[in-house]
Amino acid sequence: NAGVTQTPKFRVLKTGQSMTLLCAQDMNHEYMYWYRQDPGMGLRLIHYSVGEGTTAKGEVPDGYNVSRLKKQNFLLGLESAAPSQTSVYFCASSWGQEAFFGQGTRLTVV
Amino acid sequence: AQSVAQPEDQVNVAEGNPLTVKCTYSVSGNPYLFWYVQYPNRGLQFLLKYITGDNLVKGSYGFEAEFNKSQTSFHLKKPSALVSDSALYFCAVSPVTNAGKSTFGDGTTLTVKP
Repeated sequence: NAGVTQTPKFRVLKTGQSMTLLCAQDMNHEYMYWYRQDPGMGLRLIHYSVGEGTTAKGEVPDGYNVSRLKKQNFLLGLESAAPSQTSVYFCASSWGQEAFFGQGTRLTVV
Repeated sequence: AQSVAQPEDQVNVAEGNPLTVKCTYSVSGNPYLFWYVQYPNRGLQFLLKYITGDNLVKGSYGFEAEFNKSQTSFHLKKPSALVSDSALYFCAVSPVTNAGKSTFGDGTTLTVKP
């Protein structure tokens, strides 16, 4: 039982490049989330999904897009990366009263 | 809008002493409160939650938290700290029982010294 798995774990992008972060969960959870974590700012919700085929904006959605084509996967896309998107990204899934987090993706945009 | 405040960036305690990590919250309606711990280069791990019921909630690794509605607080406590408790702790609040759609505090770094 792997829980929540994020790929890749590390990535360096040049400004303007695009990339997709993949989150996979094997717990059959309906809810999935993408957060970013910046020093001294806790976690901020980017986008979330309450079920297959649904997505919604969180607190800081600008510059990101998401898709939930399959229940077990939640993809986070950056169409044109900016240095302000340098951060650690966490995916989480939830059955309601407890959230399970992946180990994070450290993204640097230069 | 909901919010969480963790007033201390850093808490230092000696091993064996009791520890408290403070959290206050603001939310419309009933609060659903969570504590998570993050070890270096790892994701967040769930410690405990308050949904309803007893104000004293017991969680993983000997941690507990006390919900105080009048003070809108949810402080994390442990009677006897261990060096291995040293980590970053996050308090989170949600207006619904959807744990992932929470607002997180900025985190408190706990350092337990031998």
